[in-house]
Amino acid sequence: AQSVSQHNHHVILSEAASLELGCNYSYGGTVNLFWYVQYPGQHLQLLLKYFSGDPLVKGIKGFEAEFIKSKFSFNLRKPSVQWSDTAEYFCAVNSPNTGNQFYFGTGTSLTVIP
Amino acid sequence: KAGVTQTPRYLIKTRGQQVTLSCSPISGHRSVSWYQQTPGQGLQFLFEYFSETQRNKGNFPGRFSGRQFSNSRSEMNVSTLELGDSALYLCASSTGGNTEAFFGQGTRLTVV
Repeated sequence: AQSVSQHNHHVILSEAASLELGCNYSYGGTVNLFWYVQYPGQHLQLLLKYFSGDPLVKGIKGFEAEFIKSKFSFNLRKPSVQWSDTAEYFCAVNSPNTGNQFYFGTGTSLTVIP
Repeated sequence: KAGVTQTPRYLIKTRGQQVTLSCSPISGHRSVSWYQQTPGQGLQFLFEYFSETQRNKGNFPGRFSGRQFSNSRSEMNVSTLELGDSALYLCASSTGGNTEAFFGQGTRLTVV
């Protein structure tokens, strides 16, 4: 079975600071990788996704993530965070062969201080 | 286009009762997945339905069941509720191919 680890449980940053959230997964086969964000009181929204091709993917709101296959990692980055980025961030993986069964990390709570 | 709609948004039930949650996927989407979200366990996969058939199943007891109708709407049922079933239940829809899933706002179930 696949599993996803997010090592940062709570992150507190000041506005304009840079962000990097770690995500590692365990699965030997082909995977699709995702970052979802959950703003307070809102539903999960897709930030970005990786299926194949360029391992550096860009998403909405200035976020990007890099897939490093040798490290089984898919870290999320943003050069300069804003107060509105305060939210819970989830890394997720699925396999092209298992339909829409997603495995999620436990999430990282990000608080951005104005 | 309209997003994923889950009803009801909030539910309070008593231990031992059963509950049915509903999910209407995005129009044209044939896959519906269900997840349980709790502070301790995060998001855990319950099951996925595609074209009225259960395609994948997570590690939950048989008290958790689901079904999908011909219009792709899905229902999830939990029988003999336990206190530990208190959670946010999320529904996700997709086309069913190799693509991302879109989530609803969830149903907050509280078992007392």
